[in-house]
Amino acid sequence: QSVLTQPPSASGTPGQRVTISCSGSSSNIGNNYVYWYQQLPGSAPKLLIYKNNQRPSGVPDRFSGSKSGTSASLAISGLRSEDEADYYCAAWDDSLSGRGVFGGGTKLTVL
Amino acid sequence: QITLKESGPTLVKPTQTLTLTCTFSGFSLRTSGVGVGWIRQPPGKALEWLALIYWDEDKRYSPSLKSRLTITKDTSKNQVVLTMTNMGPVDTATYYCARRPSSDGLWLDPWGQGILVTVSS
Repeated sequence: QSVLTQPPSASGTPGQRVTISCSGSSSNIGNNYVYWYQQLPGSAPKLLIYKNNQRPSGVPDRFSGSKSGTSASLAISGLRSEDEADYYCAAWDDSLSGRGVFGGGTKLTVL
Repeated sequence: QITLKESGPTLVKPTQTLTLTCTFSGFSLRTSGVGVGWIRQPPGKALEWLALIYWDEDKRYSPSLKSRLTITKDTSKNQVVLTMTNMGPVDTATYYCARRPSSDGLWLDPWGQGILVTVSS
């Protein structure tokens, strides 16, 4: 089981806004930055959001991240067909001498 | 341009040791704060963090796999090597390496293309 908890699936129609949640604990999300990775079908993961809410250059502003306490969320507005992918949240965890932890991933379907 | 590429065997037998090499360009593991990590993904399943090595030789391992993993670096060759002992069928996965640009959390960017390793007799 993953240390960070995400819903296994999410869906929306083109143009809609969808959010994906990520729940953790004080040793990970509560005390460290949250990162989001997008994995398109058949591809390696790509950084989507860093340090809770920062977008790397080239990532559309339709993607936004937020964090509150031990939870975080990824919002995608103006949903497009090319957004159909798996999304993973990630954080450093201060327990057990420090380790990286990922969520179980959320498969986003654009209907 | 920063790139990373994984190399190694794509088929290993049960109980064998897996050795994977991450060869990178566009950055240096001599730079303060920089690291290289390994992550794997079984077919159809989620990402799993494995190990990380920092510019200063500090290393971190997944607690559940720590006894089987070793991560090393060769700064002169721009390579990071991951070894995993006693491979079993459950270790069948795509293995990725990625740059950690700073010590600010699990920041991994960019990632290599990945290498699919199958464990089978």
